[in-house]
Amino acid sequence: GQQLNQSPQSMFIQEGEDVSMNCTSSSIFNTWLWYKQDPGEGPVLLIALYKAGELTSNGRLTAQFGITRKDSFLNISASIPSDVGIYFCAGISGGYQKVTFGTGTKLQVIP
Amino acid sequence: NAGVTQTPKFRVLKTGQSMTLLCAQDMNHEYMYWYRQDPGMGLRLIHYSVGEGTTAKGEVPDGYNVSRLKKQNFLLGLESAAPSQTSVYFCASGAGVSYEQYFGPGTRLTVT
Repeated sequence: GQQLNQSPQSMFIQEGEDVSMNCTSSSIFNTWLWYKQDPGEGPVLLIALYKAGELTSNGRLTAQFGITRKDSFLNISASIPSDVGIYFCAGISGGYQKVTFGTGTKLQVIP
Repeated sequence: NAGVTQTPKFRVLKTGQSMTLLCAQDMNHEYMYWYRQDPGMGLRLIHYSVGEGTTAKGEVPDGYNVSRLKKQNFLLGLESAAPSQTSVYFCASGAGVSYEQYFGPGTRLTVT
């Protein structure tokens, strides 16, 4: 089946630093979603992207839908302690049953 | 407006026992989904529903059954639990194809 390679797998950063993570695939997706999951909670939607090349922001978060439709990027600016969690990307390729999730990037912020 | 809720939050089963997980959403969404999350494997789709009275298999359906008798509820059943079904189960709902999905808080199931 389709796979999403998400990198990095984990990262430690200092509070105030900017963060970048990405998701790549060998398949094309029509929609890219970025979620954040806190320990013991369900994933919470951060940003949804629907068009190739689209750049969308949500506060300090910015995500981009890659031009090739095979990748997506998430940036977090000026990180704060509450940014700690696992970030998942998800790609939708044309049907409700074809949602593929990445394996997540675990972010830890050092105060 | 509670969004997506799941019951129970935790459960321990013995091999061979059965149970039902309940998912409820108050957003009037047509689409509902059940996923399992295992360490290092992300989320995998078990079953989904595109409307009341309809269900379909996802990526890993074996050992599970589902029902969608009411639009707001989606039930996941394990008829004979196995240790391989130890996982965290998430329900999600969405407005339609290619639209974002909203997740519940999860049910942590352990099968001994």
